[in-house]
Amino acid sequence: GENVEQHPSTLSVQEGDSAVIKCTYSDSASNYFPWYKQELGKGPQLIIDIRSNVGEKKDQRIAVTLNKTAKHFSLHITETQPEDSAVYFCAAFDYKLSFGAGTTVTVRA
Amino acid sequence: DAGVIQSPRHEVTEMGQEVTLRCKPISGHDYLFWYRQTMMRGLELLIYFNNNVPIDDSGMPEDRFSAKMPNASFSTLKIQPSEPRDSAVYFCASSLGRGANYGYTFGSGTRLTVV
Repeated sequence: GENVEQHPSTLSVQEGDSAVIKCTYSDSASNYFPWYKQELGKGPQLIIDIRSNVGEKKDQRIAVTLNKTAKHFSLHITETQPEDSAVYFCAAFDYKLSFGAGTTVTVRA
Repeated sequence: DAGVIQSPRHEVTEMGQEVTLRCKPISGHDYLFWYRQTMMRGLELLIYFNNNVPIDDSGMPEDRFSAKMPNASFSTLKIQPSEPRDSAVYFCASSLGRGANYGYTFGSGTRLTVV
């Protein structure tokens, strides 16, 4: 089955700086890569996704990149704000959605 | 839409007791998923349904776990008997589809503590 690895496990950034989270996957058949944000006491919320026929996607301050050859994908958050503090999960879909272990992002004011 | 609704939000029970977690998916979503979240194992898929039919229960850890979906608007996850190692946050999610064109919407979860 699919194995998704996510790094780093924790990330502390100054407000206004950028944050980058990286994930790798093992199954070359995976074709869908969503990112979820989980705030304290809530369920994961889909924030952006990318499909295997696309190399990059951007939505305001959030962007995702995908390198199918290397089997890795990344989340980039620019101009970070305190409300970006949360746990972020990457995921890969082959026949089911497999999640990375999560990255706790803390934005320092 | 109110989103995916789970109840209860918190459940504390004694070892050996039966626990039932409930989920109401988003209306019109044909897929329903049960996930378990722990620090050690992260988010694990337990089982999923398509049109109320269980499709893959390979993630259900033991026979003590069972899930049903009697209709399109209701699902339960039951643990009988419960054990302390079942303590986790259980999430229900629903989706219009299972594949690459569909995002999953998660509920707020049920935090289960078995003492």
